[in-house]
Amino acid sequence: EVQLVESGGGLVQPGGSLRLSCAASGFTFNNYAMSWVRQAPGKGLEWVSALSGSGDEKFYADSVKGRFTISRDNSKNTLFLQMSSLRVEDTAFYYCARVDTDWGQGTLVTVSS
Amino acid sequence: DVVMTQSPLSLPVTLGQPASISCRSSQSLVHIDGNTYLNWFQQRPGQSPRRLIYKVSNRDSGVPDRFSGGGSGTDFTLKISRVEAEDVGIYYCMQGTHWPWTFGPGTKVDIK
Repeated sequence: EVQLVESGGGLVQPGGSLRLSCAASGFTFNNYAMSWVRQAPGKGLEWVSALSGSGDEKFYADSVKGRFTISRDNSKNTLFLQMSSLRVEDTAFYYCARVDTDWGQGTLVTVSS
Repeated sequence: DVVMTQSPLSLPVTLGQPASISCRSSQSLVHIDGNTYLNWFQQRPGQSPRRLIYKVSNRDSGVPDRFSGGGSGTDFTLKISRVEAEDVGIYYCMQGTHWPWTFGPGTKVDIK
């Protein structure tokens, strides 16, 4: 069974940083592209970033480009999202997804002073 | 970016009756590889999104056959043949042809 468990969310001040992790199990991790998708409370879905299985190809939404960095450790079956220069508008649930097929339960990031 | 629109945004339905959601994209979703990466997601209250349909018309494993997808190019449809109580939630279309992948605004389905 595919499992994706996000962690690392929390309250951070504007301009601060946070690192999200997603622990994956139940599939051959390095065979799959992985993604981060976010959802502001009560709002719709926004694709944030995606990363190929090898880690060579990275994609970012314009709204986070230059501030967020996606990476993975295939030896530990873990996906990361390093977030810096955080803004109030980055407040959202952040979901880890295997491509777009399987999703974690999400971790809440709140950016507020 | 490809803009995805959906209609209606709110869909009250009677149990056992059919329902249909329309999704349109601002440009063709036919990929250079010949596939059309238009997917449908269901998000039940308090849950993560779940993919129902991929590449326009293919049901994911475990998805009831009352759900069906169709369309081509820029116009797509999700149909529920007979709505059940467990179908309440928000339905999103999503295009995976052009980066950034983008979602429609969502259609809220509830029971009359």
